[in-house]
Amino acid sequence: EDQVTQSPEALRLQEGESSSLNCSYTVSGLRGLFWYRQDPGKGPEFLFTLYSAGEEKEKERLKATLTKKESFLHITAPKPEDSATYLCAVTGANNLFFGTGTRLTVIP
Amino acid sequence: GAVVSQHPSRVICKSGTSVKIECRSLDFQATTMFWYRQFPKQSLMLMATSNEGSKATYEQGVEKDKFLINHASLTLSTLTVTSAHPEDSSFYICSAWGGGNYEQYFGPGTRLTVT
Repeated sequence: EDQVTQSPEALRLQEGESSSLNCSYTVSGLRGLFWYRQDPGKGPEFLFTLYSAGEEKEKERLKATLTKKESFLHITAPKPEDSATYLCAVTGANNLFFGTGTRLTVIP
Repeated sequence: GAVVSQHPSRVICKSGTSVKIECRSLDFQATTMFWYRQFPKQSLMLMATSNEGSKATYEQGVEKDKFLINHASLTLSTLTVTSAHPEDSSFYICSAWGGGNYEQYFGPGTRLTVT
């Protein structure tokens, strides 16, 4: 059964304090692992797709990496506007399957 | 690119009435659209998958007679919540997939409140 576990559930960082969010997954035949950002009361905003172990992608202060068992979303020198819930999702033989997300709060 | 819209963004209805939510892909043709619901502080739960011109596929536990889905064109899917009850109050989000890279693009969501 496809499974996605994200940790931590919540993370508070000081502005400029870098950290990483974890997404551990179990899926039959990974076709893609996705990171989304979701602000309260809004739909998820697409960030990255990773397809194979060893792949990395970057966008501004965010960098996503992928191994055969997990993905990390690294946040470098975060700003308050990076505060959001970050969702990880995988797709294998079935549809997109989401983790429960990490609620990130960046304090000025 | 890859913009998905939803209408309405918020709706309040009385118990027993029906509500229709529209999902449109604005700048691409969506061969497949998905409907999710999300409860506060929880993740997205897939309700159904709809392919243009065919019947929707519902996830286990989702009542197909209560949540009617129509995917009439490559840019429009609708979700109708029939005979709504307070427990149907939730955040409904659609997404669209244009094919190829498995990436889904999400709409802004619709907050449904049933009184």
